[in-house]
Amino acid sequence: AQSVTQPDIHITVSEGASLELRCNYSYGATPYLFWYVQSPGQGLQLLLKYFSGDTLVQGIKGFEAEFKRSQSSFNLRKPSVHWSDAAEYFCAVLKGYGGATNKLIFGTGTLLAVQP
Amino acid sequence: DGGITQSPKYLFRKEGQNVTLSCEQNLNHDAMYWYRQDPGQGLRLIYYSQIVNDFQKGDIAEGYSVSREKKESFPLTVTSAQKNPTAFYLCASKDRGYGLDQPQHFGDGTRLSIL
Repeated sequence: AQSVTQPDIHITVSEGASLELRCNYSYGATPYLFWYVQSPGQGLQLLLKYFSGDTLVQGIKGFEAEFKRSQSSFNLRKPSVHWSDAAEYFCAVLKGYGGATNKLIFGTGTLLAVQP
Repeated sequence: DGGITQSPKYLFRKEGQNVTLSCEQNLNHDAMYWYRQDPGQGLRLIYYSQIVNDFQKGDIAEGYSVSREKKESFPLTVTSAQKNPTAFYLCASKDRGYGLDQPQHFGDGTRLSIL
């Protein structure tokens, strides 16, 4: 069954430091992968997505993610974190191809704190 | 601006009561989704609808019901059969249910609490 694992429940980084949030997926075929960000008390905003092609994808707010099939990973990175990046981050994989069965399977999230 | 509106933002329910959470979108999207979010568990799919007058159960549909009478509206009713309804509920929509290259757009959520 498709699944997504985010090993880090909580991460703290200093402002200006680099960031990497881990995501591992379990999926038999080529996965369709997403990263979302959620600010407190709000909905989810799409940061970036991967469907095929270049394994390094660029997103909004200076984020990027790299798809590594050999490691079943889709880690999110940012070279320099800003205090406004403090939020919860969710990795997700799309389950199903076509028809009425397309569903997003979410990881449990990683809560990012940014120290001044 | 187009978007998804969830109301109310906060909702309180007494034991044994049914409550309905509203979700309206003006994005002209075909597909709509309801998720439940609990701390440490990520998002879990309750119900989804690919088209008007049709909907399917998600992973945790017990104790919930939905309707899809209009394209822009997908209300969720939390019934008294839902034993642990306290959670943050998120509504989402997508242009076409079968599209692989479209992200889901999310509302700002409704926090439901039991009195």
